[in-house]
Amino acid sequence: DIQVAQTPSSLPATVGDTVTITCRPSQNINSLLNWYQHKPGGAPKLLIYAASSLQSGVPSRFSGSGSGTNFTLTIRSLQPEDFVSYYCQQSYSIPYTFGGGTKVEI
Amino acid sequence: QVQLVQSGAEVKKPGASVRVSCTASGYMFPANYIHWVRQAPGQGLEWLGRINPNRAATNYAQNFQGRVIMTSDTSVTTAYLELNSLRTDDTAFYFCAREKRNTFDFWGQGTLVTVSS
Repeated sequence: DIQVAQTPSSLPATVGDTVTITCRPSQNINSLLNWYQHKPGGAPKLLIYAASSLQSGVPSRFSGSGSGTNFTLTIRSLQPEDFVSYYCQQSYSIPYTFGGGTKVEI
Repeated sequence: QVQLVQSGAEVKKPGASVRVSCTASGYMFPANYIHWVRQAPGQGLEWLGRINPNRAATNYAQNFQGRVIMTSDTSVTTAYLELNSLRTDDTAFYFCAREKRNTFDFWGQGTLVTVSS
């Protein structure tokens, strides 16, 4: 199974900041890396697919980059509603493993 | 529009079984895998497995082999997750999600399963 190391697990920030979250799969997954936002009490929401493609309806302050074994999610100009949890997921091979998650908090 | 609607919350005793349903609408149900993911209190997202509704073929996470059964009924566009021999650490929100082009683009609202004596 492909393991996915996601850092940091907790990310203190302030409204207006730019933050970066990193995911490193244990093997080359080309560009098959997705990012999800997860608010408490709700379902995860797809933000970025195939490493850098913005899902329809997602604000442009979210962006993704990377390939192989090194990926990043960048959130520019943090808004109050962005202070929730984020997960990366590799979809290169079954099982589609998730990173451990990052909680962006004030 | 695409929707996945899950069944309601469940409370079970240790050792019991639970079945959660996920009813799809707004797309061709047989055309996309349905995956199941859970989140235990204070924990991250954990993949349980997937089912191909067209052929009923399944893949399960190794941690759940022998305890999980995923099925589907295309006549009612519904996928089912059955988890047996429940333990208290199975307490979690369980989500279904549609796979499209290697992404989970639509999710159910989640079903809380509480395992307690």
